[in-house]
Amino acid sequence: AQKVTQAQTEISVVEKEDVTLDCVYETRDTTYYLFWYKQPPSGELVFLIRRNSFDEQNEISGRYSWNFQKSTSSFNFTITASQVVDSAVYFCALSAPGAGSYQLTFGKGTKLSVIP
Amino acid sequence: SQTIHQWPATLVQPVGSPLSLECTVEGTSNPNLYWYRQAAGRGLQLLFYSVGIGQISSEVPQNLSASRPQDRQFILSSKKLLLSDSGFYLCAWSAVGDTDTQYFGPGTRLTVL
Repeated sequence: AQKVTQAQTEISVVEKEDVTLDCVYETRDTTYYLFWYKQPPSGELVFLIRRNSFDEQNEISGRYSWNFQKSTSSFNFTITASQVVDSAVYFCALSAPGAGSYQLTFGKGTKLSVIP
Repeated sequence: SQTIHQWPATLVQPVGSPLSLECTVEGTSNPNLYWYRQAAGRGLQLLFYSVGIGQISSEVPQNLSASRPQDRQFILSSKKLLLSDSGFYLCAWSAVGDTDTQYFGPGTRLTVL
């Protein structure tokens, strides 16, 4: 069974602060993928990043960075110098293609509010 | 580039009425297609997925059904809606060569009264 836990239900930060969204996952598969999606108030899920289980390199994309640590089964997401447009619900997700299913297992999401 | 459409954007239906939600994808061939439901603003649940025309797999037994009459068209239906069917329905696709990354449509917000 797979599980994704996002312990932070809601976070509020003041604009320009850095914020880290936590994600912890559980899977018995040795090959798996981890994802982050952003859901702005409009509702559409926007794909942000995919990492595979063999690549633990951290990644940076502009103000976004991701820290993948297999030892702690975590895939955390940091937004640097947050902006009001970052306000959204962020979902961490896991897929294990070897399990024979195409299902993405989502966490319950973290609602980020950036206050101007 | 690929685009995914869903309609209607919003829908209010009485209990017991039928339902038909449509999803179409442009710019790709033979995609995998998915229907998710998000209830109460959180928690996405996979309902159905399809790897080809006429091939539907159900993840959660319920009074909903799905069909794929064309390569890039995916339809979610119900003969009689329940109050518990209210939610935000998202369609997604993934490419044949990259089935793990799913891209989502704008969603349909369904309210059953």
